[in-house]
Formats: sequence, structure tokens, C-alpha cells
Amino acid sequence: QQQVKQSPQSLIVQKGGISIINCAYENTAFDYFPWYQQFPGKGPALLIAIRPDVSEKKEGRFTISFNKSAKQFSLHIMDSQPGDSATYFCEASARDFGNEKLTFGTGTRLTIIP
Amino acid sequence: DAMVIQNPRYQVTQFGKPVTLSCSQTLNHNVMYWYQQKSSQAPKLLFHYYDKDFNNEADTPDNFQSRRPNTSFCFLDIRSPGLGDAAMYLCATSRRLETQYFGPGTRLLVL
Repeated sequence: QQQVKQSPQSLIVQKGGISIINCAYENTAFDYFPWYQQFPGKGPALLIAIRPDVSEKKEGRFTISFNKSAKQFSLHIMDSQPGDSATYFCEASARDFGNEKLTFGTGTRLTIIP
Repeated sequence: DAMVIQNPRYQVTQFGKPVTLSCSQTLNHNVMYWYQQKSSQAPKLLFHYYDKDFNNEADTPDNFQSRRPNTSFCFLDIRSPGLGDAAMYLCATSRRLETQYFGPGTRLLVL
């Protein structure tokens, strides 16, 4: 019940295209769904996050779509740029007081080609 | 303005020789986490502190210990490093219900 399945494992997108990464979870107690971006040799950094009371959140070129009934959420990167080339991790967490549960997806290596 | 600082950035140790990695934060967050990340893998949560309350993940080996002497500092002790413990170790902080802020990591090499 702690698993988060992330796909695809790797993704190549042309500059200007849309990059889409998907995650699916099992534990219905999860209530916070961030996406992190990680460059080689660096720690992950928050990109965008969503809570299950909304179905979509947009920040600039980045959008999270959330489907509570299907227990799925996805990251869309519009107008993808070479600087977006990185590894992306979804996370699902249940943040009950003193009983936090955190699970990362397996990661997607995104490459944007000119 | 570094917010989560990890020292050292690179650590070389010998097989079986104890090593300590440190993390400090300027965010005054009450939760601090330690992750292990191996190449091309997702970060794996080892344990976290919620204030002074220590929460160990069920599959974290006994070889890994942690200390949090105050709000700002947290240490990861590896008592007898094995070759399989070579990895990037990430420290993160958060306020409850909020985003995790990660440090740059310490890359550990075991010879």
C-alpha cells in the first residue's frame, strides 16, 4: 500500500513539446502529492505540489493533474526546454501528526532535444 | 543563502570504519529527514525526526543511527560502513504538511 508507480522510466521530448509523467498510488491515506526535479549531483527541489481537494494546479509551464478516484496524478511540462532535462520524482505522503508516511516514485529521466 | 547545509560534500571512508555525516538548517523547520540515494534510483527514506521524536523506517539497517541535538542540526552515523552503503545521502527539512527542502547531499565512498 506504500508503493507509488511512476512511468515512464525515461522520456525524450523535442524542444517546445509537452512532457508528461504519470504516477499511481495505492494508499488512500496519502494527502499531499509533490513533484521534485533533480539535476545530477544536486538534491531534489520542489517543482509543484497538489492536495487531493483540487483536480489541477498550474504554475507557469508546469501543471499537475490529479484524479482522486483513479488514484493517479501526472506532471505536464508545456513548451519543454533543454534546461528541463533532469530526473523527476513524484512523491505521495500522508502527513498525520507523528505518523508521516512518505513514498517516492522511481523517477523519470527527461531529456529535451533541440 | 543556503538553507539546508550538508557537510562534508564528499566523504571517503574505509570498510568498517565509522563515519558521521552532518546536516544543518536555517529554516527552523521541525522535521528533519535522512535519505539514501543510489545511482539512478529514487531517494530512500531512512528515518526522520519530528521535533525530538525519532521515526525509523522499518527496513533501515541497524548500522544506521541518527542524532538530533537541537532544532538546527542532525547527524547520520554509519557504524560499520559496507561497500553497499556507498551512496548519496540527502538531508531534508520541512514544516509539517509542507514541502521538503533538500540539501545538496553528501556522496559517500567506501573503500
